Amino acid sequence: KAGVTQTPRYLIKTRGQQVTLSCSPISGHRSVSWYQQTPGQGLQFLFEYFSETQRNKGNFPGRFSGRQFSNSRSEMNVSTLELGDSALYLCARASSSGDFGAGTRLSVL
Amino acid sequence: AQSVTQLDSQVPVFEEAPVELRCNYSSSVSVYLFWYVQYPNQGLQLLLKYLSGSTLVESINGFEAEFNKSQTSFHLRKPSVHISDTAEYFCAVSRQGAQKLVFGQGTRLTINP
Repeated sequence: KAGVTQTPRYLIKTRGQQVTLSCSPISGHRSVSWYQQTPGQGLQFLFEYFSETQRNKGNFPGRFSGRQFSNSRSEMNVSTLELGDSALYLCARASSSGDFGAGTRLSVL
Repeated sequence: AQSVTQLDSQVPVFEEAPVELRCNYSSSVSVYLFWYVQYPNQGLQLLLKYLSGSTLVESINGFEAEFNKSQTSFHLRKPSVHISDTAEYFCAVSRQGAQKLVFGQGTRLTINP
């Protein structure tokens, strides 16, 4: 069974819309981190959640937010989408595991 | 804060030749080190990781990396590459006990027949 499941795999949105992405780590793992991958900026850390609390946040505008539920599932929300938000969004469980989900590819038109 | 430098953005090699992908990191505290592989239009797959113990770590598909604390390096090597190894490779570091990974810019490995 995959260590991290991300849904959906692909999304197409238009500028100004908002989007919610989901990440579920394998049962029992309470840590989730989110990353954005773009051709220009590479892989950048968005935020980290542990037991429903945000412990760390990267250098992204407030349009990017997240939360974690009691079952460890996490959601990431981006409001007022911009063209530059087009990216592959990746979720990882505990960094020592090195385990990432397959990602959600978001295209903003 | 941690940082990672992958010294080569692209590495072309011939099939069955050896390859080394270079990674240097900067950190004032103890770290975990990782190598990931990304095939076109796919996510990140963990290739190998160093957490503690033996400084030489190996993957199941023939790659190995050696943690060199004095040179702050974690170079990835394979003695004989295959066409199927064509991909982008990312080196990453995290502070021990922390969840945030800092990635290098990636090295695109191209295998020519």
